[in-house]
Amino acid sequence: AQSVTQPDIHITVSEGASLELRCNYSYGATPYLFWYVQSPGQGLQLLLKYFSGDTLVQGIKGFEAEFKRSQSSFNLRKPSVHWSDAAEYFCAVDKAAGNKLTFGGGTRVLVKP
Amino acid sequence: NAGVTQTPKFQVLKTGQSMTLQCAQDMNHEYMSWYRQDPGMGLRLIHYSVGAGITDQGEVPNGYNVSRSTTEDFPLRLLSAAPSQTSVYFCASRPGLDWGYNEQFFGPGTRLTVL
Repeated sequence: AQSVTQPDIHITVSEGASLELRCNYSYGATPYLFWYVQSPGQGLQLLLKYFSGDTLVQGIKGFEAEFKRSQSSFNLRKPSVHWSDAAEYFCAVDKAAGNKLTFGGGTRVLVKP
Repeated sequence: NAGVTQTPKFQVLKTGQSMTLQCAQDMNHEYMSWYRQDPGMGLRLIHYSVGAGITDQGEVPNGYNVSRSTTEDFPLRLLSAAPSQTSVYFCASRPGLDWGYNEQFFGPGTRLTVL
């Protein structure tokens, strides 16, 4: 069965600093990988996705993620964090023709002024 | 387009009561799903549907029923609510797989408390 691990439950970062959120997945075949963001009291918004091709994926709001098959990782990065990036971030995986998106436990990001 | 809508936004139930969480989408998406979100556990799939008349179980289906009589609507029924069902519930939809794998669009959620 597929699974996703986000090792960091909370991360605190200063505004303007860089941010990296870790995601490790377990899946036997080629995964479809996603990062979603959830602002307080809101639903989920897709930041970016990886299906195939270039392993460095650009998303919205200045985020990017890198797929590393050898490490089973799909880490999310942002070079310079803004206060509005304070939210909870979820990594998710599914198979190519799948119907069962599996989410990690989430990482809550706090941005200090 | 309104996207994915959910009603109600908040609900408080007593143990043993039944209720239906409503979900509708106006994007003609074939695939719809229900998730529950609990702290530290991310979102877990309850039930999903790949088209009208077709439903299947997800990771945590016990205590919940679904049906899909139309493309637009996918209600989630709690037959006898239990405190363990206190959670935030999200409905999501996406185009069918004939269009390739696409992102899911999430509704705003329903916060349910069972006393």
